[in-house]
Amino acid sequence: EAQVTQNPRYLITVTGKKLTVTCSQNMNHEYMSWYRQDPGLGLRQIYYSMNVEVTDKGDVPEGYKVSRKEKRNFPLILESPSPNQTSLYFCASSLTGGDTQYFGPGTRLTVL
Amino acid sequence: SQQGEEDPQALSIQEGENATMNCSYKTSINNLQWYRQNSGRGLVHLILIRSNEREKHSGRLRVTLDTSKKSSSLLITASRAADTASYFCATESSGGYQKVTFGTGTKLQVIP
Repeated sequence: EAQVTQNPRYLITVTGKKLTVTCSQNMNHEYMSWYRQDPGLGLRQIYYSMNVEVTDKGDVPEGYKVSRKEKRNFPLILESPSPNQTSLYFCASSLTGGDTQYFGPGTRLTVL
Repeated sequence: SQQGEEDPQALSIQEGENATMNCSYKTSINNLQWYRQNSGRGLVHLILIRSNEREKHSGRLRVTLDTSKKSSSLLITASRAADTASYFCATESSGGYQKVTFGTGTKLQVIP
């Protein structure tokens, strides 16, 4: 089954404790992206990747890191999480940036 | 302000009525897509319209695109209670960067 998986689905952590949210897709898509969703702000793109080893900043990259060492995986790293990074995070993949994006189920992160 | 902004922010209609949502954007685009999100879940793709298209249909959905006004509309005809969800437009900016920007969404409630 074609899908995008994210782990964990829910995470409560404390300020400053490094964490990684994994994202994996099985559709051989070139393009992968991370978004955060906050009430009233819609989805905002954090980082995106057009291919292996090619990443670029979205609209809200501060405080986040990504890597794309393999085509199927695109982890999101928060080196020193802060409470303003409390949000609902979505990973998505598509053939290219302009094609239909397939979304993961979301990761609800709370930073205390 | 944001690249993609939908209006209205919220819409409540009776089952069987039509629902129209609008999206405005600011930069040149390659295409525009509409997505649907059921409460807190991942987004699901509805329809894609390319910058050289003016109108597209898919089942009960009709999308228009006016690149001169940098706006798009999504019409859902004969709405059903199951259409209750949030709807987002997403644009891929032109220029080869494959950057995707989502709007803030329209929350649609269809009353049975």
